[in-house]
Amino acid sequence: TQLLEQSPQFLSIQEGENLTVYCNSSSVFSSLQWYRQEPGEGPVLLVTVVTGGEVKKLKRLTFQFGDARKDSSLHITAAQTGDTGLYLCAGAYGGATNKLIFGTGTLLAVQP
Amino acid sequence: EAGVAQSPRYKIIEKRQSVAFWCNPISGHATLYWYQQILGQGPKLLIQFQNNGVVDDSQLPKDRFSAERLKGVDSTLKIQPAKLEDSAVYLCASSFRQGFLTDTQYFGPGTRLTVL
Repeated sequence: TQLLEQSPQFLSIQEGENLTVYCNSSSVFSSLQWYRQEPGEGPVLLVTVVTGGEVKKLKRLTFQFGDARKDSSLHITAAQTGDTGLYLCAGAYGGATNKLIFGTGTLLAVQP
Repeated sequence: EAGVAQSPRYKIIEKRQSVAFWCNPISGHATLYWYQQILGQGPKLLIQFQNNGVVDDSQLPKDRFSAERLKGVDSTLKIQPAKLEDSAVYLCASSFRQGFLTDTQYFGPGTRLTVL
């Protein structure tokens, strides 16, 4: 059974601080996605990383895929209250069927 | 472009009752997914359709859950009879094409089910 463990589970920080969320697995994934989910809404895709060692930047968010394609991290610089939400990593597997297994989630609260 | 639509948004039922959820995917999306998200956890795939055929239903509790996608567009997910542990948000997602590693899944707002 493939599992994706995220850490930390909860994070409460002040606006302007930096943070890193980790996503770890013992399984290899063909790609890895990061989503943000706000209360009462479905997850929204932030980024997809495909190549081992790949780093992608989206404004203040930096995403990295591990060399072995088993882990990933999300770093947020100078967090804003609008970054508050549930962050989910999801690993793609299953070849032609494009299935995703989601991580356990990290709930981020950015205080003003 | 309209997003994935789901209804109802909220449902409260007693255990052993039946309930059905409806999903209308983004127009032209061939693949449709139903996920179960228990509070504080990530979504878990229940069933995946490609057009109106089932691709994967390995995690669907088939003794009580059923799903169909008639004409390859709208889909319904049914629970009969419901148990307390079925309390969760049921998310529907759709994607344009199957088999492409970076194909994006677009999620609806979900239906929050509470079983008393």
